[in-house]
Amino acid sequence: EDQVTQSPEALRLQEGESSSLNCSYTVSGLRGLFWYRQDPGKGPEFLFTLYSAGEEKEKERLKATLTKKESFLHITAPKPEDSATYLCAVQVRPRNRDDKIIFGKGTRLHILP
Amino acid sequence: DAGVTQSPTHLIKTRGQQVTLRCSPISGHKSVSWYQQVLGQGPQFIFQYYEKEERGRGNFPDRFSARQFPNYSSELNVNALLLGDSALYLCASSLRGQGNYGYTFGSGTRLTVV
Repeated sequence: EDQVTQSPEALRLQEGESSSLNCSYTVSGLRGLFWYRQDPGKGPEFLFTLYSAGEEKEKERLKATLTKKESFLHITAPKPEDSATYLCAVQVRPRNRDDKIIFGKGTRLHILP
Repeated sequence: DAGVTQSPTHLIKTRGQQVTLRCSPISGHKSVSWYQQVLGQGPQFIFQYYEKEERGRGNFPDRFSARQFPNYSSELNVNALLLGDSALYLCASSLRGQGNYGYTFGSGTRLTVV
């Protein structure tokens, strides 16, 4: 069964304390891996797309990497405004079936000033 | 530019009733997908439509149905509501699939079934 697991479930960091969020996946027919940020009461906001192992994408204090089994979202010197839930999603196309998108449960990140 | 708009923003229904949720994608976007998000969980994929055709379906019962109109707007219908259908329903649009720009999500419709 296709699965996406994010860890940790929650993370509290001091401002400026760098860390990484993990997204591990067990899927067949991977077409892409996506990272989103979600603030309370809002829909997810797109951050990155990764397609193949070894690929990296960066945006401000965030950097996403991909291997064959997992992805990491690295947060460098975070600020309080980076506090949010970070969601990982994979797009898969099982054999002879239509695309489906599977989200992880997310990591709730809280940056303390 | 208007983002993805969903209506209504909040809704309270009684068990057994039917509900219709509406979504208008970003102008020019031809793909619309629907998700159910229960508090504390990630969004669960319900449907994807592209060019008015269903292109993907998640593991939801037949009580859930959707359609996309010629102007690319979409409706999600849920029949015979259960208490467990209470959730935030998100609509997302894109030019075609997620691609390099991902999906743009609306703020959702909060459905409460009592």
